Amino acid sequence: EMQLLESGGGLVHPGTSLRLSCVGSGFVLNDHYISWVRQAPGKGLEWIGRSRNEANAYTTEYARSVEGRWKISRDESKNSVDLEMENAGVEDTAVYYCARGRDSTHRGAFDIWGQGTMVAVSS
Amino acid sequence: DIQLTQSPSSLSASIGDRVTITCRASHDIRSYLAWYQQKPGRAPTLLIYGASTLQSGVPLRFSGSGSGTDFSLTISGLQPEDFATYYCQHLNIYPLTFGGGTKVDIK
Repeated sequence: EMQLLESGGGLVHPGTSLRLSCVGSGFVLNDHYISWVRQAPGKGLEWIGRSRNEANAYTTEYARSVEGRWKISRDESKNSVDLEMENAGVEDTAVYYCARGRDSTHRGAFDIWGQGTMVAVSS
Repeated sequence: DIQLTQSPSSLSASIGDRVTITCRASHDIRSYLAWYQQKPGRAPTLLIYGASTLQSGVPLRFSGSGSGTDFSLTISGLQPEDFATYYCQHLNIYPLTFGGGTKVDIK
């Protein structure tokens, strides 16, 4: 079965840095674009950014809300796509999902989602 | 950035009803639109991509149409398991964005 599994969430103080991981199984993670999407409590979905596939050198794109502040990277040894969240604020409290692009293009819709990991930022 | 406006934001319907949700893009996104279903406490699931192509395993009562700036998702014969929130998403250019969502609940 093809799956994604996020980890690394928790309760952190404002200004803290946090690293979330997304591990894939049942398919070759490096062949796919992987995005991070978040959902604040009771709110809609917000695309945060994505890592392109290996054929596109794992280059990245970000939403304006996190560009320059957060970083998406791949760890081939862990078969993961990581989201490094620097200087988290209370507004970053959300469930964070990773999602797979269904084809090897930037227009692939998200056909596999992880179960999500909750990040709560509070003093 | 491309904005996606979904309407209505919520609706009440009965089992067996035909339901249509619309999604309007602020700029031409050709057919690069997807629809997702999300149930409470669960991750979204892909229903439609390319504006009108049904994802494998999705029931045939779901259909999508449109291109350019105007799109719609139709559920023909609402079933109990269809009560959920639906989101559109464009995949044309960065940043990718989602619509605000449409919650479908039981009348």
